Amino acid sequence: AQRVTQPEKLLSVFKGAPVELKCNYSYSGSPELFWYVQYSRQRLQLLLRHISRESIKGFTADLNKGETSFHLKKPFAQEEDSAMYYCALGYNFNKFYFGSGTKLNVKP
Amino acid sequence: GAGVSQSPRYKVAKRGQDVALRCDPISGHVSLFWYQQALGQGPEFLTYFQNEAQLDKSGLPSDRFFAERPEGSVSTLKIQRTQQEDSAVYLCASSLVLFGEKLFFGSGTQLSVL
Repeated sequence: AQRVTQPEKLLSVFKGAPVELKCNYSYSGSPELFWYVQYSRQRLQLLLRHISRESIKGFTADLNKGETSFHLKKPFAQEEDSAMYYCALGYNFNKFYFGSGTKLNVKP
Repeated sequence: GAGVSQSPRYKVAKRGQDVALRCDPISGHVSLFWYQQALGQGPEFLTYFQNEAQLDKSGLPSDRFFAERPEGSVSTLKIQRTQQEDSAVYLCASSLVLFGEKLFFGSGTQLSVL
């Protein structure tokens, strides 16, 4: 069965510190993986997707098929990065399975 | 419009009441999704439309849940005989084309069943 696991409910780091939000997935096919972000009082929005291999707001994520992971990383966290982050697995052309989310708190 | 619009923003229902939640997607978006998000959880897939066709309703938790998109634009999610376990945020999302394109989410409808 498809599954996305985000093991950390809450991650607190100091401004300027590196941050890594973990995401592991379970899927027998070829996955499409995404990170979505929800800032306070805003709607859920796409941050990045693995197929684009892009860096958005300094964040990157690499798909590791061997470890079935898609961890989100940023070398220097900023206070404005504080938000709820969801890892999502796309499959069967029309379904997106979301993890339970990690709340990132960047302290000044 | 400015984005995906959902109404009402908040809905309080007594157990047993029927509710209707509306989603107005971005104009021209082919795909429309409904998700249910319980407190502390990620969004869970309910159903999917491609234009007016409901291609997947495998996530609807019971036959009390019904969704439609008759003209391929606005969609309504209806919940009959609401139960307390239906309390959640209901999110609508749309995308321009099929799989692989990013989802644009609405602000959601927070449903509380008393």
